[in-house]
Amino acid sequence: GQNIDQPTEMTATEGAIVQINCTYQTSGFNGLFWYQQHAGEAPTFLSYNVLDGLEEKGRFSSFLSRSKGYSYLLLKELQMKDSASYLCAVALASGGSYIPTFGRGTSLIVHP
Amino acid sequence: DSGVTQTPKHLITATGQRVTLRCSPRSGDLSVYWYQQSLDQGLQFLIQYYNGEERAKGNILERFSAQQFPDLHSELNLSSLELGDSALYFCASSEDSGANVLTFGAGSRLTVL
Repeated sequence: GQNIDQPTEMTATEGAIVQINCTYQTSGFNGLFWYQQHAGEAPTFLSYNVLDGLEEKGRFSSFLSRSKGYSYLLLKELQMKDSASYLCAVALASGGSYIPTFGRGTSLIVHP
Repeated sequence: DSGVTQTPKHLITATGQRVTLRCSPRSGDLSVYWYQQSLDQGLQFLIQYYNGEERAKGNILERFSAQQFPDLHSELNLSSLELGDSALYFCASSEDSGANVLTFGAGSRLTVL
């Protein structure tokens, strides 16, 4: 089985930095994804980490520590449009495939 | 537009009924995944197909079934519907069955009354 944990909700101020953590306990791990989902819309891909370390992509960065079962998504220079749910997903081996298995998501509220 | 097309966008039906949700993957993608998203459960993996064959199964109820056709589009059939089946159903596609980025469709919102 797997256990993927994220905080339920976070709030931050426009222009600030926020870090969203994700911890997991799984077997058959093959990478970790972060997706953004605005209310009522489809999730969209933000980042993928398969090796330990930091991946930077503009205002967003993602970090992975496989030995600790831990990842975080760092959002800098927050904008109002960053208010959304952020989903951590672990790629798990299943039947010859790798299936992204999602946590419940962290709802981020950015206020002025 | 993500390139993944889902129909219908909204569906309202009664308990005990049966519905079919349809998904066309992004051009060139061979894998299709179905997820259910309800308020209290988050995104739950249901089933995955690769090039017409079932590859992985998640928490899919026996009342639900799916298939992927030769043209790679997929259908998710939900029968004997219950109130608890009300949810957003997402289809996603990827190039193959590895640990790939998923491209999601806009979803089909099912309401069971």
